[in-house]
Amino acid sequence: GDSVTQMEGPVTLSEEAFLTINCTYTATGYPSLFWYVQYPGEGLQLLLKATKADDKGSNKGFEATYRKETTSFHLEKGSVQVSDSAVYFCALSDLQGGKLIFGQGTELSVKP
Amino acid sequence: KAGVTQTPRYLIKTRGQQVTLSCSPISGHRSVSWYQQTPGQGLQFLFEYFSETQRNKGNFPGRFSGRQFSNSRSEMNVSTLELGDSALYLCASSSQPGPQETQYFGPGTRLLVL
Repeated sequence: GDSVTQMEGPVTLSEEAFLTINCTYTATGYPSLFWYVQYPGEGLQLLLKATKADDKGSNKGFEATYRKETTSFHLEKGSVQVSDSAVYFCALSDLQGGKLIFGQGTELSVKP
Repeated sequence: KAGVTQTPRYLIKTRGQQVTLSCSPISGHRSVSWYQQTPGQGLQFLFEYFSETQRNKGNFPGRFSGRQFSNSRSEMNVSTLELGDSALYLCASSSQPGPQETQYFGPGTRLLVL
């Protein structure tokens, strides 16, 4: 079945460092791909999404490109801030829609 | 526009009891999905409703059920609670079903089963 694999955390970075969180997927067809972020004690917030191959999603300095050839959707940010500390989830939508399949989440901690 | 709201936010129950959680979607959204989040299993899909009909169901036992009302509000019910049902239950809404639709999540209901 469909699945998403993320790099394991926790990831600890210094402020202004470059961030990459790897995400690869296995799916039938070409699903839509999402990155969600979860702050402590809260639900999930959409960070960005891409709905077809070679699409680039971007938001708040974060970017991810839908790579069909490598079945990947890696999250990047050029300069992280302490406020970016959170858990990041990569997800795909099944072809029927309505069901998101999530990776295990990657905890990011940014130190001043 | 108000976001997805879930009630209650916290709940403590004992084994064998049943519980009902409520979700109000974003105004105008007609699709509601439910997820269970635990440290061991991560985020797992429970079910999805659209126009009062269950469209999709995850791999959970029959003790987990849900429904959607004509105003798109949704409830999920867990009967005969087990310790392993302790989790954060998240509701998400989208304007309509579809793989490209964005799901917007509520803050969740944290259930503790003693």
